Amino acid sequence: SYVLTQPPSVSVAPGQTARITCGGNNIGSKSVHWYQQKPGQAPVLVVYDDSDRPSGIPERFSGSNSGNTATLTISRVEAGDEADYYCQVWDSSSDRGVFGTGTKVTVL
Amino acid sequence: QVQLQESGPGLVRPSETLSLTCAVSGYSISNGYSWGWIRQPPGKGLEWIGSISHSGSTYYNPSLRSRVTISIDTSKNQFSLRLSSVTAADTAVYFCARHMTRNWVAPWGQGTLVTVSS
Repeated sequence: SYVLTQPPSVSVAPGQTARITCGGNNIGSKSVHWYQQKPGQAPVLVVYDDSDRPSGIPERFSGSNSGNTATLTISRVEAGDEADYYCQVWDSSSDRGVFGTGTKVTVL
Repeated sequence: QVQLQESGPGLVRPSETLSLTCAVSGYSISNGYSWGWIRQPPGKGLEWIGSISHSGSTYYNPSLRSRVTISIDTSKNQFSLRLSSVTAADTAVYFCARHMTRNWVAPWGQGTLVTVSS
């Protein structure tokens, strides 16, 4: 089965840049989507199709995808960005959705 | 604006069947998209359960396929999840969501906690 691996945690100072990776076999050939989940809330889509942003999501959120790694970048990090972040793809070989292991972003 | 709301029992006994319904407002589910279920055990990550298209085609997580049924009722603008033979490992917050077919998931319902216990 297809596995997506994320670092358990990332720490970043306010105003700096956070980069969250999502590793998977040849993930560059798939469309990657990213979700933000704050405590007690449902996840929110922040990036889809590798690098597109839904309406209402700040330009500070951006994504890239190549080879075996996709990356979510949060620029000019704010305290409100503290949350868990999950990557997700569709695995066409098993016809199912797959979520990454999740990364907790802490704003110092 | 599309909104989703889960409903169903918060407590299910082991070996019984978990049943949840997701009511959709602000969009007619017969118009398109797929509709899916995702769960999150307490303190853990997200697990994709399955999805159903507006025309009734289903996709299931292979690890749950033998126990899962997702159905759709366009007349009531809702879709449902049934998970049979539950154990404590099925205790989780269950989210329903709109699912771009074989792609991203948004928006999500607020989630409902289902506890499996005798």
